[in-house]
Amino acid sequence: SAVISQKPSRDICQRGTSLTIQCQVDSQVTMMFWYRQQPGQSLTLIATANQGSEATYESGFVIDKFPISRPNLTFSTLTVSNMSPEDSSIYLCSVDPGGDGYTFGSGTRLTVV
Amino acid sequence: GQQLNQSPQSMFIQEGEDVSMNCTSSSIFNTWLWYKQEPGEGPVLLIALYKAGELTSNGRLTAQFGITRKDSFLNISASIPSDVGIYFCAGQRRGTALIFGKGTTLSVSS
Repeated sequence: SAVISQKPSRDICQRGTSLTIQCQVDSQVTMMFWYRQQPGQSLTLIATANQGSEATYESGFVIDKFPISRPNLTFSTLTVSNMSPEDSSIYLCSVDPGGDGYTFGSGTRLTVV
Repeated sequence: GQQLNQSPQSMFIQEGEDVSMNCTSSSIFNTWLWYKQEPGEGPVLLIALYKAGELTSNGRLTAQFGITRKDSFLNISASIPSDVGIYFCAGQRRGTALIFGKGTTLSVSS
């Protein structure tokens, strides 16, 4: 299965600022997925990122708030913009490289103060 | 977004007991997956199921893909303290991302 390196692993940020989360995969994958896990909750899909095209966002998530880059087949970034305390969550990237089930990064634990 | 109905929400068991949890959906999935998440980590895949009726084991874990394709269960036999964590079911339709259940928090006392 793929190995995902996600960073930062955690951060504490001031409200109104932005944080960019990076996700690096050790193999080429067509689609990368970004999830949010709010405290004590399950995982909710933010968007699907395909290389060479605009990311596809789920209902309730918009590009201005969560811009995504996908410059190549092994890398993606998610930016959380103009943060507020409600954005405090774990953000996870995920891939499904070989159809054997999705692999997740270890997550970025974001606290907005 | 859509979520799966996962139950129970939490379980408190003694070491050595067997555990069962399940997920149901109002719609069909092509794939069912079970993940475990420990504090500070991302979810780790335990078992993946691809065919209706499929029964798959991974050590002390057994999972089944329901015949209707709308449900799945996970059993853990002879639980041990390291089984503690949150277990998530996830369903997938072809070409789409995973949809997750709300999780089952498992506590094991020795």
